Amino acid sequence: EVQLLESGGDLVQPGGSLRLSCAASGFTFRDHAMTWVRQAPGKGLEWVSLIHAAGSGTFYVGSVKGRFTISRDNSKNMVYLQMNSLRVEDTAVYYCAKDRKVTGAGNDFDVWGRGTMVTVSS
Amino acid sequence: QSALTQPASVSGSPGQSITFSCTGTSSDVGTYNLVSWYQHHPGKAPKLIIYEVTQRPSGVSNRFSGSRSGNTASLTISGLQAEDEADYYCCSYAGGSSAIFGGGTKLTVL
Repeated sequence: EVQLLESGGDLVQPGGSLRLSCAASGFTFRDHAMTWVRQAPGKGLEWVSLIHAAGSGTFYVGSVKGRFTISRDNSKNMVYLQMNSLRVEDTAVYYCAKDRKVTGAGNDFDVWGRGTMVTVSS
Repeated sequence: QSALTQPASVSGSPGQSITFSCTGTSSDVGTYNLVSWYQHHPGKAPKLIIYEVTQRPSGVSNRFSGSRSGNTASLTISGLQAEDEADYYCCSYAGGSSAIFGGGTKLTVL
C-alpha cells in the first residue's frame, strides 16, 4: 500500500524550531519529488516547499524562505521539514505529498499523508 | 503570489450536476496545462481527483470532470451524491517547481 506518515508536530513558542518527518512506503521513493503543504485553522491549503527526487533542487513559498529547510534521505524513504524562527502564522496542519509523475516537480500530488499539527503560541 | 480564487461554498441536491470555478492568472492557470483538483474530507488526507486539467486518476469516478477556459479552470460533479460533501481545492503549477492552491470551496449536499 502506498502510504505517507507525517510526525513531529507539536506546540512550540514563537521563535522556536521544529522538525517534521514524513515516512514513505509502497512506491519507489527516490523517483518522486516530494512536497509539504499546510492548512491553517479555518483556511485553505497552501503549498510550502518541494524537493526534487534526487534532492538536488529545493523550493519554498516566499513566507518561509530563509526559515524552513526541506531535505530527504532516499536510503530511508524519508522527507523532512526543518522549521526555524517559527511564527504564530505558521500554525497549521502540515501534509506531506508525493508528486504523481516520476519526472514531476510540483505538477500534482497523488498521495498525501493525514498531516501533523504544528501550533506556534506563547 | 495570491491564491487562486474559488467560491467559498456551493450546494446542490442529490442527482444534480454542480460546477466549481477556479480563477488564476496568465502566470499559472492560463499558461500551464497543470491544473489539479483535490477532494478533502476534514481530518482525512486530501485526494487527487483531476490532474492536467481534464485527466482522472484510476479509481476516481467518471462523475468528476475538469475543464479550463482562459485563466479559469472548472470542476464538474455530475449525479451528486451525499458522499461528495467535502472541501474541494484547485491547484496550478506556477513555474519554478512551485504550485499554488485555491482557497477551497465547501460543497454541501442538501
